[in-house]
Amino acid sequence: SAVISQKPSRDICQRGTSLTIQCQVDSQVTMMFWYRQQPGQSLTLIATANQGSEATYESGFVIDKFPISRPNLTFSTLTVSNMSPEDSSIYLCSVESGANTGELFFGEGSRLTVL
Amino acid sequence: GDSVTQMEGPVTLSEEAFLTINCTYTATGYPSLFWYVQYPGEGLQLLLKATKADDKGSNKGFEATYRKETTSFHLEKGSVQVSDSAVYFCALRRAYQLIWGAGTKLIIKP
Repeated sequence: SAVISQKPSRDICQRGTSLTIQCQVDSQVTMMFWYRQQPGQSLTLIATANQGSEATYESGFVIDKFPISRPNLTFSTLTVSNMSPEDSSIYLCSVESGANTGELFFGEGSRLTVL
Repeated sequence: GDSVTQMEGPVTLSEEAFLTINCTYTATGYPSLFWYVQYPGEGLQLLLKATKADDKGSNKGFEATYRKETTSFHLEKGSVQVSDSAVYFCALRRAYQLIWGAGTKLIIKP
């Protein structure tokens, strides 16, 4: 298993500002996944972060809006840039338990409210 | 494209009742299927999975059978407890990512 710590756990932000979410894993992992869970909705994959390369973004998500860093095998950050109320969501970091298993471990999420 | 459809919630049951949460999917081929659970105040966690047709996943008294004929993966439990109150997500694996259902909130009353 993997233990994932995210911070902040929640924040209230002003429109137009940016916020960086940190994700720390207690073991080395190849891929880290960033998801968004909008209120009352399902999870949507934002991007996959691999150490030593650019993140891979899903359709509808762009690097300018959601820049990601992956400096080592246990840490990643997601920045939500130039926030608007539509960015109010829970942002989740996750890792896979083993290659191609589909078994994901999740952090507890970062709940962002944009005013 | 691939998709997952879950029954809408909330589902409210009394303790010791039988539970079924429906999940159907649309996919090319036979993807692995999963149920994840999110307890109040906690992160998502894997509940059970099935990797091929007719497989039955089970954990904590919950079961789900991979039915390719009906493209379904319904979650069942014979006798629910108050501690089972949570949001349940059905998902399928496509390439490197999971495709998620909308989630079903389950409320168990004592």
